[in-house]
Amino acid sequence: GDSVTQMEGPVTLSEEAFLTINCTYTATGYPSLFWYVQYPGEGLQLLLKATKADDKGSNKGFEATYRKETTSFHLEKGSVQVSDSAVYFCALSENNNDMRFGAGTRLTVKP
Amino acid sequence: DTGVSQNPRHKITKRGQNVTFRCDPISEHNRLYWYRQTLGQGPEFLTYFQNEAQLEKSRLLSDRFSAERPKGSFSTLEIQRTEQGDSAMYLCASSLGARTEQYFGPGTRLTVT
Repeated sequence: GDSVTQMEGPVTLSEEAFLTINCTYTATGYPSLFWYVQYPGEGLQLLLKATKADDKGSNKGFEATYRKETTSFHLEKGSVQVSDSAVYFCALSENNNDMRFGAGTRLTVKP
Repeated sequence: DTGVSQNPRHKITKRGQNVTFRCDPISEHNRLYWYRQTLGQGPEFLTYFQNEAQLEKSRLLSDRFSAERPKGSFSTLEIQRTEQGDSAMYLCASSLGARTEQYFGPGTRLTVT
């Protein structure tokens, strides 16, 4: 069945460092891909999404490109801030009913 | 605040007891989803409703679990005869329809002792 594999954490970076969190997926069809973020004490929030191959999702300085050839949707940010400290989840949905999530990657950004 | 709300936020119960959680979606959203999240894992899909109809159930949803959305607005998730393995965060999400963003509530953390 469909699944998502995420880079294991935790990830600790200094402020202004470059961030990459790897995500690869397995799907039988053509899923939509998502990154969700969970800040401490809060619910999951959609960070960005892409619905077809070569689409780039972007939000708050974060970007991810839907790569069908490598079945990947890696999350990147050029310069992280302390406020980006959170848990990041990669997810896919083939029919927008059943969303499959990765295990999550905890990011800590130190000043 | 017009986001998704869940009650209670925390529930501690003894093994064998029944528990019920409530989810209030964003008012105009016709789809409502339930997920379970265990420590260190991502959310796992349990079931979803379109209006009052329950359209899909995961194999994770054993016979002890039942969900309802009687009037197409709020939903309840009941777990009967709780087991320690049921300890998890139960998340609710809603969306405006298929192929649209799911908005998540803060979750109900269940601890079964």
